[in-house]
Amino acid sequence: EDQVTQSPEALRLQEGESSSLNCSYTVSGLRGLFWYRQDPGKGPEFLFTLYSAGEEKEKERLKATLTKKESFLHITAPKPEDSATYLCAVSPPNYQLIWGAGTKLIIKP
Amino acid sequence: ETGVTQSPTHLIKTRGQQVTLRCSSQSGHNTVSWYQQALGQGPQFIFQYYREEENGRGNFPPRFSGLQFPNYSSELNVNALELDDSALYLCASSVTSSSYEQYFGPGTRLTVT
Repeated sequence: EDQVTQSPEALRLQEGESSSLNCSYTVSGLRGLFWYRQDPGKGPEFLFTLYSAGEEKEKERLKATLTKKESFLHITAPKPEDSATYLCAVSPPNYQLIWGAGTKLIIKP
Repeated sequence: ETGVTQSPTHLIKTRGQQVTLRCSSQSGHNTVSWYQQALGQGPQFIFQYYREEENGRGNFPPRFSGLQFPNYSSELNVNALELDDSALYLCASSVTSSSYEQYFGPGTRLTVT
């Protein structure tokens, strides 16, 4: 069964304290893995697409990496405005995204 | 460029009633997907419409139905509402049905009492 598991469920960091979020997946015929950011009461905002193991993408303080079984979202020197829920999703061959439950990230000033 | 918009923002319905939620896709996008997101969970895929035809459906009963119009706006209809239908309903548009970048609207918060 295709599934996505994200850990931890919640993460509290001090401003400037770097860390990583994990997304483990099981899917037949991965077409892509996606990271989104979701602020309270809003729809998810697209961050990255990763297509193959070894691929890396960066945007400001965020860096996403992909292996054959998991993806990491690394956050370097985070700021309070990085606080949000980060969602991971995978696309099987039918393009119907399968989502994890998200990691709620809180950055304290 | 106009983003994805949804209406209404919030809605309260009674069990057994019917509801229609609306979505206006981003300009130039011909595909819309609908998702249900329960509190503290990731979105669950309901269905996708591509050029006015249903192009894939998740594990939702037939009382969840949809439409896509020639201008690529879309509706989600839910009949015989149940308490478990209470959730945030999100629509997302994309350039094509196989496009990986989906642009989400702000969602409609549905509460069923």
